[in-house]
Amino acid sequence: QVRLKESGPRLVQPSQTLSVTCTVSGFSVTSYHVSWVRQPPGKGLEWVGAIWKGGSTDYNSALKSRLSISRDTSKNQVFLKMNSLQTDDTGTYYCAKHGNGPFAYWGQGTLVTVSS
Amino acid sequence: DIVMTQSPSSLAVSAGETVTINCKSSQSLFGSVRQKNYLAWYQQKPGQSPKLLIYLASTRESGVPDRFIGSGSGTDFTLTISSVQAEDLANYYCQQYYDTPYTFGAGTKLELK
Repeated sequence: QVRLKESGPRLVQPSQTLSVTCTVSGFSVTSYHVSWVRQPPGKGLEWVGAIWKGGSTDYNSALKSRLSISRDTSKNQVFLKMNSLQTDDTGTYYCAKHGNGPFAYWGQGTLVTVSS
Repeated sequence: DIVMTQSPSSLAVSAGETVTINCKSSQSLFGSVRQKNYLAWYQQKPGQSPKLLIYLASTRESGVPDRFIGSGSGTDFTLTISSVQAEDLANYYCQQYYDTPYTFGAGTKLELK
């Protein structure tokens, strides 16, 4: 059974770094791609970036300078790190599994609030 | 980046009605190799993660009721929900996966009239 679960801090101070972990089961992160998608409260979906099954990454150009996605294949985990956080980075962060196609499996999401 | 323009932003319906949601991309999503359109539709209910409904513009994901119909090609796409049921009240998003950065439409909120 495919599962993805995000974990991370609920509150981050402005200018600090966000670290979120996506722990997956039911598939290997070396066999499928994993993307991060975020959603501000009451707003739409924004693709943040992806780590491809081969290990390379691709980022939303608007976030690229602040963003890093990596993985630990031994633990089947994918990591999102975003620095210099601002209040408009507040939202729910999802990880999603996909092949060369749409996002068929999503985690439950983790709500991150950027506030002092 | 490919811009996805979705309309309307909200739609008030009565149970049993048929509704249409439109999605237009700023460039063609038709892939010449597979001869397919790389367009997906998702449903998101309050407090839940998005759920994949349709991919390749018109293929229903397993378990999705056949009242959800995706159509279109190139740059213009439509999600039709025939005989809307109360459980269909949600937000709907289109997404292109033709090229990165993957982009979503702004969403359509389906509400009860």
